Amino acid sequence: DTGVSQDPRHKITKRGQNVTFRCDPISEHNRLYWYRQTLGQGPEFLTYFQNEAQLEKSRLLSDRFSAERPKGSFSTLEIQRTEQGDSAMYLCASSQPSAQETQYFGPGTRLLVL
Amino acid sequence: GIQVEQSPPDLILQEGANSTLRCNFSDSVNNLQWFHQNPWGQLINLFYIPSGTKQNGRLSATTVATERYSLLYISSSQTTDSGVYFCAVDADYGGSQGNLIFGKGTKLSVKP
Repeated sequence: DTGVSQDPRHKITKRGQNVTFRCDPISEHNRLYWYRQTLGQGPEFLTYFQNEAQLEKSRLLSDRFSAERPKGSFSTLEIQRTEQGDSAMYLCASSQPSAQETQYFGPGTRLLVL
Repeated sequence: GIQVEQSPPDLILQEGANSTLRCNFSDSVNNLQWFHQNPWGQLINLFYIPSGTKQNGRLSATTVATERYSLLYISSSQTTDSGVYFCAVDADYGGSQGNLIFGKGTKLSVKP
């Protein structure tokens, strides 16, 4: 198993454009999380899936943000009409429900909005 | 919501020195993890430790759940230990979905 993967690793876009990021979790993990990290801060939770069900999305930063996990495997995070304040590292994590549930993080997608 | 505070915010060590990083949290937790974020941004799991003590090589961690703090010990530090260390918790209350709440981290620089 190669761990959690994310694509792309870096994205530069112009303000107003839409961007989409992909996350592939560890294969046997049915929980998938998205976080955002800005400079000098710890990661901030955005949304969470168990299998294909999005169980928590109230922390998504605005209605410009949406996430999907259509088949319960990979997930996508889309930001519409990007703003300069969206520039950040977007992190994905996965876990398997257990008594000692540990989240494993991907390498992140670094977004720069010009 | 639960608050997570880490100290110190910055730490500079000479190679070979020992250090202790602290994480205080404001409510009971059912998950506490320590991570190391390397210079490329990758978060690396160090410990899952909602209570008790664990050791892994030069690193060890202790969580005293009743007093709501956790400590990360780094012994004989190496330059490769440099980076940011995060403590993250999942609050222990009904409806919690497992999302982690992170502290602001401790930035460690180990000088040769």
